[in-house]
Formats: sequence, structure tokens, C-alpha cells
Amino acid sequence: AAGVIQSPRHLIKEKRETATLKCYPIPRHDTVYWYQQGPGQDPQFLISFYEKMQSDKGSIPDRFSAQQFSDYHSELNMSSLELGDSALYFCASSLYGQETQYFGPGTRLLVL
Amino acid sequence: QKEVEQNSGPLSVPEGAIASLNCTYSDRVSQSFFWYRQYSGKSPELIMSIYSNGDKEDGRFTAQLNKASQYVSLLIRDSQPSDSATYLCAVDSGGYQKVTFGIGTKLQVIP
Repeated sequence: AAGVIQSPRHLIKEKRETATLKCYPIPRHDTVYWYQQGPGQDPQFLISFYEKMQSDKGSIPDRFSAQQFSDYHSELNMSSLELGDSALYFCASSLYGQETQYFGPGTRLLVL
Repeated sequence: QKEVEQNSGPLSVPEGAIASLNCTYSDRVSQSFFWYRQYSGKSPELIMSIYSNGDKEDGRFTAQLNKASQYVSLLIRDSQPSDSATYLCAVDSGGYQKVTFGIGTKLQVIP
């Protein structure tokens, strides 16, 4: 079965640079979630989208923004990167009304 | 107080034993509860979901939910070394699609 696709899988950036992470949900899933997971930490919810509209917002920094497109894929834009942004970034998808979320493989971001 | 509490472990059990993982949550209106398994550096993988009080079994895994005590647990029977991972408890936010994760319990199954 098709799973959530994330790209890139690995990304290295310098401080103050920008990064864009992409997420392609499971086919027919209309809801996308973004999480940040630091070393030894639990996944921290950043933001979610349903039908291209922001449905919930968590601990997403103002330097980050995200959107969902008409094909339901989503992009997380990160600007003015800081060393502390180094983490695993997961995208998850679900069908609206069903809380079960399925996670993608993640993007490992390293900010130098 | 964190909304979803788990003992970070590590919890060490011998191969073939039962591993018992516990989770408590603070939001009384939560209705959906999930257990995810996460290997180091990998994404969380859904193991079980449970919505009603009582037990739910799936193979070697049993989830137990007690809403009155705001407690959910995961039992792993006949533990295998391949079960060694971090187990994340996730709880919905009472009507919203967002779920909140616990810190996760690291399980080590000793051969």
C-alpha cells in the first residue's frame, strides 16, 4: 500500500538559510500534519491542514510557514534557520474524521 | 504537567516475557488512544488504536483502556528482541484531530 512520502530525506543547511520540506499524503487522505522531533524527544505537533485550510496550530515558530495544495500535498517552509531547528521532521496524513495518523519516513534536517 | 505521561524507561524484559507499557492522560474528553512504535531514527509506526474501555487484542499486542482512571496500557506478549524500540502513547485532543504524544517508553528485550 502507498505510504506517506516526504522529500528530501536528508537536508543540510547553514544558519539563516531557508529550507522547504515536502509531504505527499497517502492517496485519498485529505488531512496533513507536521511534527518536529528532536533527539530523545517526543514528536511535537507543529501544524495541520484539511482541504488546504489550516485546521490546527501547535508549537510552530513564526519563522516557519506551511500550506496544503489542491492535490493535498503540503510544504513546510522554514526561514532564518537556527541551530536548534536541527531535528527530524515528520509528516503524517489521515482521512478527516479519523484520528489515526500515518507517518512518513521523515526529513532529517541538520543546521550548521 | 504534560498532557500525556509515560515513563521514559528503559524497560528491560527477557525474551519471551510480557512487556507492560503504561500511559496516563490529563484531558477527560479524550476519546481516541494510539500506540506507536518507533525505532531509532525512524518514523512512528501505528501498533494499536483503542476507543472504548476494556481490552483490544491484535496478535501479541493488547491495548487496555480505562477512561475513568485516564489510563491506557499496552501489553506485548512473548516479547522478541525485534520489539526493542520506543513506544509512544498518543491521545486525541477531545474533538480535534490533533493528537498529543507522550515522551515514549524505551523497551529493551534481552535475548
